[in-house]
Amino acid sequence: KAGVTQTPRYLIKTRGQQVTLSCSPISGHRSVSWYQQTPGQGLQFLFEYFSETQRNKGNFPGRFSGRQFSNSRSEMNVSTLELGDSALYLCASSLDQGMNTEAFFGQGTRLTVV
Amino acid sequence: ILNVEQSPQSLHVQEGDSTNFTCSFPSSNFYALHWYRWETAKSPEALFVMTLNGDEKKKGRISATLNTKEGYSYLYIKGSQPEDSATYLCASLGHAGRFGAGTRLTVKP
Repeated sequence: KAGVTQTPRYLIKTRGQQVTLSCSPISGHRSVSWYQQTPGQGLQFLFEYFSETQRNKGNFPGRFSGRQFSNSRSEMNVSTLELGDSALYLCASSLDQGMNTEAFFGQGTRLTVV
Repeated sequence: ILNVEQSPQSLHVQEGDSTNFTCSFPSSNFYALHWYRWETAKSPEALFVMTLNGDEKKKGRISATLNTKEGYSYLYIKGSQPEDSATYLCASLGHAGRFGAGTRLTVKP
């Protein structure tokens, strides 16, 4: 069974640009969550999608957005990039929306904003 | 407690030592507590999902306990091995997936 796939693995962007990251969950998983990790910080929750609907959202500005497609694949978009957006972005998929279901993480996309 | 907090921040032990660390979380509106192990250059890997007060879970030399009334969970590693070196994260997934900053464990041979 293929794991969670995130693309691209590495990305360098310039301030002011926008970026789209992709996450393909494990086959059959319907919930996808996105997290940001910056140096010295724990994982910060961005948002969760389930059945193409955003179910929860973390405390991030509106420049951060996401969506989920009918095949459960998810994308997150960051517009007007700032230097502080440089981080590792992880997505996690789980079978269902329930809080007691195990989440499986992808290897992340390392975004560098210059 | 408003956030998920983990202690200690880092830990260095000798091979064979047993160790434990703590995760504190808001006890109100609790749904589930997750423990993850995150090795460098790899993805976080789920260890335990715990939901009931008094829950105890075990996987090999690693075990965890949960106290939802007082809002804490302990992770124990018996007879630490160098391959146990990793960052151990806990998360309270009641609302908006709150993760702790992790405990960085280094096991010296």
